[in-house]
Amino acid sequence: RKEVEQDPGPFNVPEGATVAFNCTYSNSASQSFFWYRQDCRKEPKLLMSVYSSGNEDGRFTAQLNRASQYISLLIRDSKLSDSATYLCVCSGYSTLTFGKGTMLLVSP
Amino acid sequence: GAGVSQSPSNKVTEKGKDVELRCDPISGHTALYWYRQSLGQGLEFLIYFQGNSAPDKSGLPSDRFSAERTGGSVSTLTIQRTQQEDSAVYLCASSPRDRGEKLFFGSGTQLSVL
Repeated sequence: RKEVEQDPGPFNVPEGATVAFNCTYSNSASQSFFWYRQDCRKEPKLLMSVYSSGNEDGRFTAQLNRASQYISLLIRDSKLSDSATYLCVCSGYSTLTFGKGTMLLVSP
Repeated sequence: GAGVSQSPSNKVTEKGKDVELRCDPISGHTALYWYRQSLGQGLEFLIYFQGNSAPDKSGLPSDRFSAERTGGSVSTLTIQRTQQEDSAVYLCASSPRDRGEKLFFGSGTQLSVL
């Protein structure tokens, strides 16, 4: 089983839609979780950390479910500029481990 | 500097040649990571430096790959006798403290081995 698994997508949604991504992780000892955003041919950039109690940053909400070992990202009122690949990141056996990402395409 | 700086931004080399990739992390960041990303693939961990501790080299794919970090700052990733499968974007990241902290990435070096 891969350490971090994500649905590659793409998720095609219209502007204004709400979209959610899930990510599962295999290392039950993971303590740190993040969502990164990567635009085409660009480096990943931190979108938000994921806390046990869940956290919200504007239109973005992240949740952690330790029992089922998954984290989620919810994007409300999607904008064209949200089109990107979203990478799930967990602290792994030796370092931070990145999922392969979920592609989001927001259309007018 | 304001961010993580990597050079060169692009490198084209012939199979069998050696290449050196440079990373200048954010000032004051003690942790430095190298990842690589092949087209359409996820990030593959290569090596991790933290302060003066021995680096975690568990991700290096072969003994052709090596890295060093001088003075706890600038890092160089060296690939000897490059192969076509080494073609990828090599990303460097730094973070303020230990593992588990958020990473700040450079814009990467696109390596093409012909």
